[in-house]
Amino acid sequence: DGGITQSPKYLFRKEGQNVTLSCEQNLNHDAMYWYRQDPGQGLRLIYYSQIVNDFQKGDIAEGYSVSREKKESFPLTVTSAQKNPTAFYLCATSPGRVRNQPQHFGDGTRLSIL
Amino acid sequence: ELKVEQNPLFLSMQEGKNYTIYCNYSTTSDRLYWYRQDPGKSLESLFVLLSNGAVKQEGRLMASLDTKARLSTLHITAAVHDLSATYFCAVDITSGTYKYIFGTGTRLKVLA
Repeated sequence: DGGITQSPKYLFRKEGQNVTLSCEQNLNHDAMYWYRQDPGQGLRLIYYSQIVNDFQKGDIAEGYSVSREKKESFPLTVTSAQKNPTAFYLCATSPGRVRNQPQHFGDGTRLSIL
Repeated sequence: ELKVEQNPLFLSMQEGKNYTIYCNYSTTSDRLYWYRQDPGKSLESLFVLLSNGAVKQEGRLMASLDTKARLSTLHITAAVHDLSATYFCAVDITSGTYKYIFGTGTRLKVLA
């Protein structure tokens, strides 16, 4: 089945530690996105990528980093510079060049501080 | 600044009642999407509205788009408890980027 796989489902971070959230897709979509959702809040865009080896900052990129070395994968690293990382992180994809399509979302990763 | 605003933010309604959620956006776009999010879960696509005057219906939910007014509505008919969720609208920016702007979300609670 085509879809988006996010792992792990739950993640705990210690002080000063970098952690990486995985996002893999087999939908053959060009564009991939990372969003952060705080409890009871909407979605805020962290980074997005329209093509392999290229990505752009979203609205809240500070303290995060990404890479897009292959079409299927868009990992997000939450660095120690992100002082308040506790949130629900959602990865999404869209076809990109083919417009008129909604985004598809993974099941999310819930990150907490130890 | 590009903005997508929804109202109300919270909605508590009795089963069997009708209500409308509004989504206003500030950018030029003729592509608007509605999503549903259950507590603790991811987002699920509900409707894709691609032109002025577009109307889509699924069960007790009906969505419409007025691109001239930059307004979309999500109408709930004879609400049932299973519709309790948070509903988001999102606008596909017309420019060269593949970026979507999400609304603030409307948390709907249907009371039995």
